[in-house]
Amino acid sequence: RKEVEQDPGPFNVPEGATVAFNCTYSNSASQSFFWYRQDCRKEPKLLMSVYSSGNEDGRFTAQLNRASQYISLLIRDSKLSDSATYLCVVKFGPNSGYSTLTFGKGTMLLVSP
Amino acid sequence: DAGVTQSPTHLIKTRGQQVTLRCSPKSGHDTVSWYQQALGQGPQFIFQYYEEEERQRGNFPDRFSGHQFPNYSSELNVNALLLGDSALYLCASSLDRLNTDTQYFGPGTRLTVL
Repeated sequence: RKEVEQDPGPFNVPEGATVAFNCTYSNSASQSFFWYRQDCRKEPKLLMSVYSSGNEDGRFTAQLNRASQYISLLIRDSKLSDSATYLCVVKFGPNSGYSTLTFGKGTMLLVSP
Repeated sequence: DAGVTQSPTHLIKTRGQQVTLRCSPKSGHDTVSWYQQALGQGPQFIFQYYEEEERQRGNFPDRFSGHQFPNYSSELNVNALLLGDSALYLCASSLDRLNTDTQYFGPGTRLTVL
């Protein structure tokens, strides 16, 4: 079983739609969770961290369910500029300084006019 | 404030050759991690350098080695290149003492092995 699993998509949605991505992880000792965004042929950039209480940043909402080992990202009112690959990322390992990240394969989102 | 820089941006090599990729971390950062991203895949952790030593390593063969310099910049070396080594190689930097999870990625080096 892969450590971090995501539906690769692509998700094709019209502008203004709401879209949700899901991700599962296998290591119950995982400590930190993130969503990164990667544009075509560019480097990944941190979109948002994910907390157990859920967190929101504008049109983006992230949720974490530790019991089910499940992470989600909701994008409301999709914009053309949201078209990208969204990477689910989990940090395993000891707390102090060992910030190594495990990435899912990514979910591609295509927003059309 | 300079972000993470990598060189070269693109590289073409043939099987069996050796390659060195370079990374300069974001100003003030002391920890460098290297990742390999094959086409259609997420980045995979290769290793991490801190205080000029390899601190942690992913599931990559010994053909992959690295180095960190006193100015915190880093190199990734790959020996005996295979076709399967063709990928985007990403460097990420962070500041260890903040015990932060945030890593900043460079633009990557795209390596093609023929």
